[in-house]
Amino acid sequence: DAGVIQSPRHEVTEMGQEVTLRCKPISGHNSLFWYRQTMMRGLELLIYFNNNVPIDDSGMPEDRFSAKMPNASFSTLKIQPSEPRDSAVYFCASTDGSREAQHFGDGTRLSIL
Amino acid sequence: DQQVKQNSPSLSVQEGRISILNCDYTNSMFDYFLWYKKYPAEGPTFLISISSIKDKNEDGRFTVFLNKSAKHLSLHIVPSQPGDSAVYFCAASVGAGNMLTFGGGTRLMVKP
Repeated sequence: DAGVIQSPRHEVTEMGQEVTLRCKPISGHNSLFWYRQTMMRGLELLIYFNNNVPIDDSGMPEDRFSAKMPNASFSTLKIQPSEPRDSAVYFCASTDGSREAQHFGDGTRLSIL
Repeated sequence: DQQVKQNSPSLSVQEGRISILNCDYTNSMFDYFLWYKKYPAEGPTFLISISSIKDKNEDGRFTVFLNKSAKHLSLHIVPSQPGDSAVYFCAASVGAGNMLTFGGGTRLMVKP
């Protein structure tokens, strides 16, 4: 059974460019989470969706960040315009909302030059 | 303000011995606790969890202990194996399946 799939695995771009990160959750999971990992702040939640609806986006750092979940099998995290301080590893995770733990993708390593 | 803390950034143990990783939390609303293991260039992998109605949960070599009055949990790995070398994250949530708050991680090194 396929796990959570994230793309791209690595992204290097210049500041000011738009960046789009993609996530495909595990089939049947109805909750999806975006996390960011940095040396300074560790693993922190950015936003989470339940049944495709954003429930809590209080972790989204600024208006430059936006996330969408147009259907149950796809979500995007967009940064526009990107800045060097956005460099981090971005993880997507999903769960079926029961007692099952969240399953994580392998992350997207983002470098903004 | 860090609601979940792992005060030891690293831990080194000998193969076959016990590894004990610790975690403290401050939010009394947390009632579901998890441990994740992370290898480089991979996402965190779920290891074991415990609900606040229990004080111990065991799965093979892994046991998690919860002390609610002290707001403290620990992960015991017995016996430790070199393949256990990874970064271990403690996480907590209000209700199972909800958003997780993570600790900063502890890097475990198991020496052969």
